[in-house]
Amino acid sequence: GAVVSQHPSRVICKSGTSVKIECRSLDFQATTMFWYRQFPKQSLMLMATSNEGSKATYEQGVEKDKFLINHASLTLSTLTVTSAHPEDSSFYICSASTGQFLDDSYEQYFGPGTRLTVT
Amino acid sequence: GNSVTQMEGPVTLSEEAFLTINCTYTATGYPSLFWYVQYPGEGLQLLLKATKADDKGSNKGFEATYRKETTSFHLEKGSVQVSDSAVYFCALSGRGGGNKLTFGTGTQLKVEL
Repeated sequence: GAVVSQHPSRVICKSGTSVKIECRSLDFQATTMFWYRQFPKQSLMLMATSNEGSKATYEQGVEKDKFLINHASLTLSTLTVTSAHPEDSSFYICSASTGQFLDDSYEQYFGPGTRLTVT
Repeated sequence: GNSVTQMEGPVTLSEEAFLTINCTYTATGYPSLFWYVQYPGEGLQLLLKATKADDKGSNKGFEATYRKETTSFHLEKGSVQVSDSAVYFCALSGRGGGNKLTFGTGTQLKVEL
């Protein structure tokens, strides 16, 4: 159980175009989803937290107009990178949480990631 | 604020060697502590966790003990295999911050025959 999928797994787009990445919880309802960005050989940087039906909360330094997040349902969140540039090339990872405090912790379930390359 | 510090890698070991990856943290209150593993080209998988002081998390031969007095959560395995080659991330989740995770920078482990 607790499977999270991402689509696409890899995408190449041209500079100036927009690209959408989907994150789905396949067998549970995710009240909260998180979007991370991972640079080569570095840690995960939290970009934003989204709750179903409400606006995402962005971390400091993350441009909300550039990285549009929509958490339309309890099983789907999307990240749209608008007007992409080569510096947006990265590995984007989502995670999902039921929001339930189980075994003294909240658990996040991670998707496999999406490799974005902007040419 | 919360922070996690991990030993820098890469760590290169021979198969069947003993593994320790150090992790220390700074947090207010009583965070939950996690180790995640990332295999090449994949997302993160939860390896083990501990939610209160002196708890020991264990999975697949890996262990880590929540040491409040030293604010540490070191990862250990008695005998590593080539298949353990991956990047290991230490992370914490602060009670007050809901389920937001703070990650360390990751430690790459390479196990050779």
